[in-house]
Amino acid sequence: EVQLVESGGGLVKPGGSLRLSCAASGFTFHLYSMNWVRQAPGKGLEWVSSISIRSSHIYYADALKGRFTISRDNAANSLYLQMNSLRAEDTAVYYCVRDRESISGIGTGMDVWGQGTTVTVSS
Amino acid sequence: SYVLTQPPSVSVAPGETARITCGGNNIGGKSVYWYQQKPGQAPVMVIYYDSDRPSGIPERFSGSNSGNTATLTISRVEAGDEADYFCQVWDGSNDQYVFGTGTKVTVL
Repeated sequence: EVQLVESGGGLVKPGGSLRLSCAASGFTFHLYSMNWVRQAPGKGLEWVSSISIRSSHIYYADALKGRFTISRDNAANSLYLQMNSLRAEDTAVYYCVRDRESISGIGTGMDVWGQGTTVTVSS
Repeated sequence: SYVLTQPPSVSVAPGETARITCGGNNIGGKSVYWYQQKPGQAPVMVIYYDSDRPSGIPERFSGSNSGNTATLTISRVEAGDEADYFCQVWDGSNDQYVFGTGTKVTVL
């Protein structure tokens, strides 16, 4: 079964840091570009970041550049999101998501989603 | 940055057809993806490359894209189609995914 399982969410104070992890299984992880998408409570979907299969192409939402860092470990079938200088507006469910086409670059749509991990930024 | 605009809500009676629009500047020149999200669940892709359906998605879901508007059409609407729907594109000019504002579909 194709599966993505996020972990690492929790309650953090403003200005703090958090590292999210995503464990992939059931497919050849190193052949797919990967993404993080977040959803604030009661709001729509917001793309966060994308990374290509060999990490040669990495993209971020403009508002998040400099605070968030995406990375992957193909040997461990894992995707990560390092989040620094967290703000209240970063409070959201964070989804780990697979790009639909293998080998292709980023931008083919998102066909496999994890169940999400909740990040709450509050004092 | 690129903006995608959707109507906040669409209401439809069971058995009728729901049409959800997604407006963007020359969106017809981009590939559009559509997602369905039910309360408390992760989104599910229902359309890719404007009009293709992933495996397991009913034929009642179809898509089109031309000019400045993409449309998701749900035929013979069922109670189980009640959900939020989001359009999405890859904005190659800025190397980023963009999601639409989302549309809540209510089945009357």
